[in-house]
Amino acid sequence: RKEVEQDPGPFNVPEGATVAFNCTYSNSASQSFFWYRQDCRKEPKLLMSVYSSGNEDGRFTAQLNRASQYISLLIRDSKLSDSATYLCVVSRNTGGFKTIFGAGTRLFVKA
Amino acid sequence: NAGVTQTPKFQVLKTGQSMTLQCAQDMNHEYMSWYRQDPGMGLRLIHYSVGAGITDQGEVPNGYNVSRSTTEDFPLRLLSAAPSQTSVYFCASSSPSGRSYNEQFFGPGTRLTVL
Repeated sequence: RKEVEQDPGPFNVPEGATVAFNCTYSNSASQSFFWYRQDCRKEPKLLMSVYSSGNEDGRFTAQLNRASQYISLLIRDSKLSDSATYLCVVSRNTGGFKTIFGAGTRLFVKA
Repeated sequence: NAGVTQTPKFQVLKTGQSMTLQCAQDMNHEYMSWYRQDPGMGLRLIHYSVGAGITDQGEVPNGYNVSRSTTEDFPLRLLSAAPSQTSVYFCASSSPSGRSYNEQFFGPGTRLTVL
């Protein structure tokens, strides 16, 4: 079983739709949580950090549930430019520093 | 401020050849790492360094060597290329905050094919 699991998708949604991505992690010692965005054949870039209190950045909302070891990303009012792969990322510093990337969820937003 | 740079962008090798992928950052970041990305696998950590002179193995280190003689540079060496090393390689850097390492900045990647 992978340490960070994501639904690979793809998610095909129309412009203006709300879409939610889920991610689960298996190591309870995980300390930091992130969502990265990766465009086709490009490098990943940080979208937002994820905190237990939840955080929002414009149309994007991220949530963390430590008890369930679950992370989510909600995108409201989807734009064509949101089409990308979204990577769930978990970091910990126990027995050496480790950052684990999920395999990513592909999103296609259609006009 | 160039961020993280990688060379070359593309490379084709024959089985058994060796080569070095270059990575440099100009942000004075302590932490640097190498990942490979394969379809359906996500990014997997090959090696990482928490500062000059300090390196450690990641999840998939076999067949690769690294060194960190300066803060800026973190080259990845393929000792004897194999077709299983065909992948996209990303270098990343970050600066520690407290006990965790926050945003990682990635280079544009090197697309390697081993025949």
